[in-house]
Amino acid sequence: DQQVKQNSPSLSVQEGRISILNCDYTNSMFDYFLWYKKYPAEGPTFLISISSIKDKNEDGRFTVFLNKSAKHLSLHIVPSQPGDSAVYFCAASSLSGNTPLVFGKGTRLSVIA
Amino acid sequence: ETGVTQSPTHLIKTRGQQVTLRCSSQSGHNTVSWYQQALGQGPQFIFQYYREEENGRGNFPPRFSGLQFPNYSSELNVNALELDDSALYLCASSFGQRNQPQHFGDGTRLSIL
Repeated sequence: DQQVKQNSPSLSVQEGRISILNCDYTNSMFDYFLWYKKYPAEGPTFLISISSIKDKNEDGRFTVFLNKSAKHLSLHIVPSQPGDSAVYFCAASSLSGNTPLVFGKGTRLSVIA
Repeated sequence: ETGVTQSPTHLIKTRGQQVTLRCSSQSGHNTVSWYQQALGQGPQFIFQYYREEENGRGNFPPRFSGLQFPNYSSELNVNALELDDSALYLCASSFGQRNQPQHFGDGTRLSIL
């Protein structure tokens, strides 16, 4: 039973446009969410996180939105750049319950110049 | 600041053998987590070590075991290797028991023949 779901295996976006990556979760205990980016032959790199007390967190070109009632979060990248092409993983955990990170299967983003 | 380093980068073993994978945590970090990433999947939590004690375990059999040393480096040991153990093994370090953003190494690619 997948607790964190990324339903789009891949996404193609033109350079300069917005990339929106989506993630859904089922466990109501999750209160901390993260996005990681992974290039081939490298480990995942932390991008941005959000706790459940917020509904938005922004860091430069990256913004994460959290909709707790829908159990949905999204990562917006604006503007998209060719160097953003990678696999993006959504992850969730419960800080209060000290549970481990649970990852989605990832979405492969291709930014076309 | 030294990042997370893992060794070896690649390893080929046969069924029934045993393997030890190594991880040096990022400087200042005292928590190490190990993940298994099968092809097309997200990282799956194996276990976590905090101050040399196991601090949580995922749904992996006892033949997956680990150690953390006083310098916070860590080992993952897998006995009686099976074909399904073929995967990328990722180590991540962080500070403290709570799941603050974890920083990943580049992984060890383990192939079982």
